[in-house]
Parts: sequence; C-alpha cells; structure tokens
Amino acid sequence: DVKVTQSSRYLVKRTGEKVFLECVQDMDHENMFWYRQDPGLGLRLIYFSYDVKMKEKGDIPEGYSVSREKKERFSLILESASTNQTSMYLCASSLAGAASSYNEQFFGPGTRLTVL
Amino acid sequence: DAKTTQPTSMDCAEGRAANLPCNHSTISGNEYVYWYRQIHSQGPQYIIHGLKNNETNEMASLIITEDRKSSTLILPHATLRDTAVYYCIVRVALTGGFKTIFGAGTRLFVKA
Repeated sequence: DVKVTQSSRYLVKRTGEKVFLECVQDMDHENMFWYRQDPGLGLRLIYFSYDVKMKEKGDIPEGYSVSREKKERFSLILESASTNQTSMYLCASSLAGAASSYNEQFFGPGTRLTVL
Repeated sequence: DAKTTQPTSMDCAEGRAANLPCNHSTISGNEYVYWYRQIHSQGPQYIIHGLKNNETNEMASLIITEDRKSSTLILPHATLRDTAVYYCIVRVALTGGFKTIFGAGTRLFVKA
C-alpha cells in the first residue's frame, strides 16, 4: 500500500516563527502536492512538484515556499507564520502523467497547524 | 480551469442508495472525473474515476452523462461509515504535470 506520512498531526506555533511541514511517500511517486483545507473552501493547492528540485506554484502560494531535495520528501515552509495560516495542511503524491491519464493521488493524514 | 459544482450537503437513510450529483460543464474532452471522500480527521481517499463510460468498483458506481457535463456517484447501500465529505474533481493540464481542483464537496450524512 502507498503510504504518505506527515511529520506531525498537530502543531502550534507563534506568529513570526519559521515553520517546516514535512511529507514523505514510499512509493517512488514523481508528483507531490501540498494543499491547505479550510472550512467551506475545500482543498486549495499551495505548491506541487513533479520532480526532484522542481516546483510549481498552485493557487495560493503566497506566504509559502517548498523544497524537494529527494524524490520521497516534499517540505512546505512558512517563512514567517501568520495567524491566517492556521489551517489543515494535506500532502499528496501520485505517479507522473498528464491530466488526461489516470493517476490517483494518495493523501497523508494531514497536519493541523495553529498559529497564535 | 475546469471546475465542479456540488450540493453543500445531503442526507441518506442507512441501507438506501446515496446519489451524489456533480456538475462539471467546462470539462475538456480528455479529462477524467474523479471522486474522493474525506472522513473526519483523515486525508481524502480515492473512490472512483471515469472518462466517458459508467464505472463500478467495490465502493461505488459512477454515472457520467453522455455530454460529460455532469456525473453522479452512487453508493448502493449506504452505511453510517459512509458519512463523509465527497469531492468530485477534475484535473487541469499544466506544463510538466497537472493540478487538481477541489471544490467544497458534498457533506453526506447517513442516518440510522
């Protein structure tokens, strides 16, 4: 079974802190994604990566950066956390392919981040 | 970008079929329709996908209209454990990959 793990289930940080959220997948997937989920808004894509050292902005990249130094690991970085970044963060991975091809996304359990 | 529209919430009696509609009128001809669900405190889980033909697996059936502008996810015998948020999604091609557009989903309440 594909396994996507996230470093923490719950995290509490203070405004201005630098925050690292880690995601690791064990199925050699090329694509990895970071989403945030807020009530009533569904999942919104922050960044994604389709290869090592490659990254692409999603719909809401402001205030975030990412790092993909190894294929299995995709990190989301909040350079200076703010209260409006309090949210559930979900990582996902999938095989490579075009939008027209079938490749299921596998999600991690999520990290609930609270910024005080 | 192709987007989807779903009802905010639905109720279903336990043991009955749950029919969850989705509108995706701007979908392109070669894009799949995917359905995921999210149970409280967990990440979304894949259910089923389809392109043009109706599909069935051990979890659900997917009915796609001939013009592909809408689809319906069918849970044939809903149980209390099917209470979850259900997402109908399409994907948009980008250079080097794709991105998935999730809407707010439909919150399904299965009642005893």
